[in-house]
Amino acid sequence: DAGVTQSPTHLIKTRGQQVTLRCSPKSGHDTVSWYQQALGQGPQFIFQYYEEEERQRGNFPDRFSGHQFPNYSSELNVNALLLGDSALYLCASSLTNVGGGQPQHFGDGTRLSIL
Amino acid sequence: QQQVKQSPQSLIVQKGGISIINCAYENTAFDYFPWYQQFPGKGPALLIAIRPDVSEKKEGRFTISFNKSAKQFSLHIMDSQPGDSATYFCAASRARSNSGYALNFGKGTSLLVTP
Repeated sequence: DAGVTQSPTHLIKTRGQQVTLRCSPKSGHDTVSWYQQALGQGPQFIFQYYEEEERQRGNFPDRFSGHQFPNYSSELNVNALLLGDSALYLCASSLTNVGGGQPQHFGDGTRLSIL
Repeated sequence: QQQVKQSPQSLIVQKGGISIINCAYENTAFDYFPWYQQFPGKGPALLIAIRPDVSEKKEGRFTISFNKSAKQFSLHIMDSQPGDSATYFCAASRARSNSGYALNFGKGTSLLVTP
């Protein structure tokens, strides 16, 4: 049973460029959440996708956008990259049902470095 | 605004000792409190979680204590082992929400268990 998989594992970009990160949820999960983890900090919530729609969004600018596909996989897009966007980007998947959601299971992330 | 405050920032415990990490939250709407363990180069892994209808939950050497009136919860690691050396994050969220259930993380505690 594959867990949450993310690609690529590492990525180097320059300021102003655009990047797309990908996530495949754990089998049986229908909800994908994205988090940004700066070095030495806790993960910060970016947004959550369910039924191919953004259901909840954290305090991130519009440069951060996402998409969820019919197979529940998801992409995170970041435009006009800034040096401060350098971080580990984590994808978490979960199952939303009548009783609510949780727990969220994380992938190993994509390490994004901006030069 | 940090919705979950975690302490201490770092902790050194001898093998066989008890590791204790504390967290406090502000939002009384939170009703799901997980703890995650993260090793370098890996994503956070769910250790144990608690709902506010119980004051304590134990799984193996890991125990969560929960104080609803004080809005505090803590992780106890009994018989700490060198393999427990990692960064631990507490988190809080709303378990049942049609508008999403983002995890709000503490800043993390770096635990070192010495032989």
